[in-house]
Amino acid sequence: DIQMTQSPSSLSAFVGDRVTITCRASQNIFNFLNWYQQRPGKVPNLLIYAASSLQSGVPSRFSGSGSGTDFTLTISSLQPEDFATYYCQQSYTSLYTFGPGTKVEIK
Amino acid sequence: EVQLVESGGGLVQPGGSLRLSCAASGFTFNSYRMAWVRQGPGKGLEWVAIIKQDESQRHYVDSVKGRFTISRDNAKNSVFLQMNSLRDEDTAVYYCARTLGGAATTDYFDYWGQGTLVTVSS
Repeated sequence: DIQMTQSPSSLSAFVGDRVTITCRASQNIFNFLNWYQQRPGKVPNLLIYAASSLQSGVPSRFSGSGSGTDFTLTISSLQPEDFATYYCQQSYTSLYTFGPGTKVEIK
Repeated sequence: EVQLVESGGGLVQPGGSLRLSCAASGFTFNSYRMAWVRQGPGKGLEWVAIIKQDESQRHYVDSVKGRFTISRDNAKNSVFLQMNSLRDEDTAVYYCARTLGGAATTDYFDYWGQGTLVTVSS
């Protein structure tokens, strides 16, 4: 199975800060990588698919990059509503796996 | 508007069974693969199972193989998860999710239901 790791596991930042979250796969997954946001008590929400494609309706301050084993999710200017946990997910194999999550807190 | 509504969760003893249902509306159900994803209390997301549009392919996470079965009824716009031999570690909120993607591109979950809670405890 492909293992996914994320760093950091949590972070605290000010409104307006640029935030970067990293996701790493245990083997080459090309661009078969997606990002989800889950606000506290809410359902997960797709942000980015295929490593860098922005899902319809998602604010443009979110962006994704990377390929192979290393990927990043960037929030260009953190907003109060971005307080959430962010998960990466690979679909290179039919046994999909999520990363453990990165919790973003607002300072 | 796409809607996914899960039902069937509840409290069950270890070794017991439950059948979850997910009723879909607002899209052409038989054109999409459907998946179940779960989240244990205070834990992250874990993909559980996925089923192809015509039920010709099904895949499961290793921890539920042989115990859980995903199925669908395209006439009723519904997907199901039959869970047998339940264990404490199966305790979670179970979400159904519409799945997009294809052979040459990533599969992703673009719509999720609100989830149904399954608690396995004696």
